[in-house]
Amino acid sequence: DSGVTQTPKHLITATGQRVTLRCSPRSGDLSVYWYQQSLDQGLQFLIQYYNGEERAKGNILERFSAQQFPDLHSELNLSSLELGDSALYFCASSVGGSGTEAFFGQGTRLTVV
Amino acid sequence: GEDVEQSLFLSVREGDSSVINCTYTDSSSTYLYWYKQEPGAGLQLLTYIFSNMDMKQDQRLTVLLNKKDKHLSLRIADTQTGDSAIYFCAESIPYNAGNMLTFGGGTRLMVKP
Repeated sequence: DSGVTQTPKHLITATGQRVTLRCSPRSGDLSVYWYQQSLDQGLQFLIQYYNGEERAKGNILERFSAQQFPDLHSELNLSSLELGDSALYFCASSVGGSGTEAFFGQGTRLTVV
Repeated sequence: GEDVEQSLFLSVREGDSSVINCTYTDSSSTYLYWYKQEPGAGLQLLTYIFSNMDMKQDQRLTVLLNKKDKHLSLRIADTQTGDSAIYFCAESIPYNAGNMLTFGGGTRLMVKP
């Protein structure tokens, strides 16, 4: 158990809908990262937050947004969902914001039908 | 741009050593990681190495880093059937005001009894 908790584990939703994925980082970790894992794209970095502020933005679509709350948990919001958004979404956390050990959660498997 | 490459597949016999190789292109990487992913599971951090180190040993795992050639390897001694999984190498690079991990495509390790 990495100490990073993601909910829900599985999510099935229809195209055009909006979903929210939740991540609780390890105790004491200030950074949260979101990654998408798909068969065709592999593991892609989406976004990083550090202590509530956005620090780095990767290949995140405009339909997607994220935030980190004062208690350091993070949410990834995916809207206007398309079939191609079906993937495994991982959250990771680390103590610092610049390259220290990153521990991953078990992921949320999103299926868009 | 950043690019991390790994061979797709490795098959070994139980008790043998496994060596999984990875090449990367970004010379600004600060840390290099090895993660293990079992079917349906998240990414388990196995080990990591600072970019200014050449080698790191952790029980059955040995990481070698050749910065000149941008080559990273993971050696697993006395490989067991429980080591069968997909292994990802990743480099941590500064990005925007934070950092991100860039992953290779993963090497599927199959251990035959």
